[in-house]
Amino acid sequence: NAGVMQNPRHLVRRRGQEARLRCSPMKGHSHVYWYRQLPEEGLKFMVYLQKENIIDESGMPKERFSAEFPKEGPSILRIQQVVRGDSAAYFCSAGQDPYEQYFGPGTRLTVT
Amino acid sequence: RKEVEQDPGPFNVPEGATVAFNCTYSNSASQSFFWYRQDCRKEPKLLMSVYSSGNEDGRFTAQLNRASQYISLLIRDSKLSDSATYLCVVNPQGSSNTGKLIFGQGTTLQVKP
Repeated sequence: NAGVMQNPRHLVRRRGQEARLRCSPMKGHSHVYWYRQLPEEGLKFMVYLQKENIIDESGMPKERFSAEFPKEGPSILRIQQVVRGDSAAYFCSAGQDPYEQYFGPGTRLTVT
Repeated sequence: RKEVEQDPGPFNVPEGATVAFNCTYSNSASQSFFWYRQDCRKEPKLLMSVYSSGNEDGRFTAQLNRASQYISLLIRDSKLSDSATYLCVVNPQGSSNTGKLIFGQGTTLQVKP
């Protein structure tokens, strides 16, 4: 996975809580993508970020979801007021350019 | 209509069999095509890119038919270790490529001894 780290690997939240998912690409990999995989479904694109900029957020739900990739530190996917339907595997991928992406191991979010 | 469609399977085949997966995509402007492999809901891993001329990597052969918007993956001499979900993936953007990938639902392969 070219050193793409995600944490936590598993996250349990009660309905209404906030979930923060982190993605740490390798140094120099400034393109980050977030995907969501619901049970029994394929991965769905959520958002594409470069350092400090959101390039494409066409797959992000309009409410409760936000993403950032600050100049320093990991990319964060934030889900406010989680609901049961947010339970899924969230994968990030990263690379030096859009043509080469390496996926992290994913975070499995369970909302109880 | 889904942007990328695959038969979810499962395909159950004996070791040594040849198996073929198909995939169709809806955006005729799509430029890049891939097959990924996903094991037990772990992260997807790139299996191979797919080129118009067709390409082969060992026991795996990928084909692209742009006119029919159809992609295929052929696995020869199946091994137990080939058991996984195979994801058809399309990058729908050409010159404005942002790297956004569109995934099919995946086709599950079970290779039996």
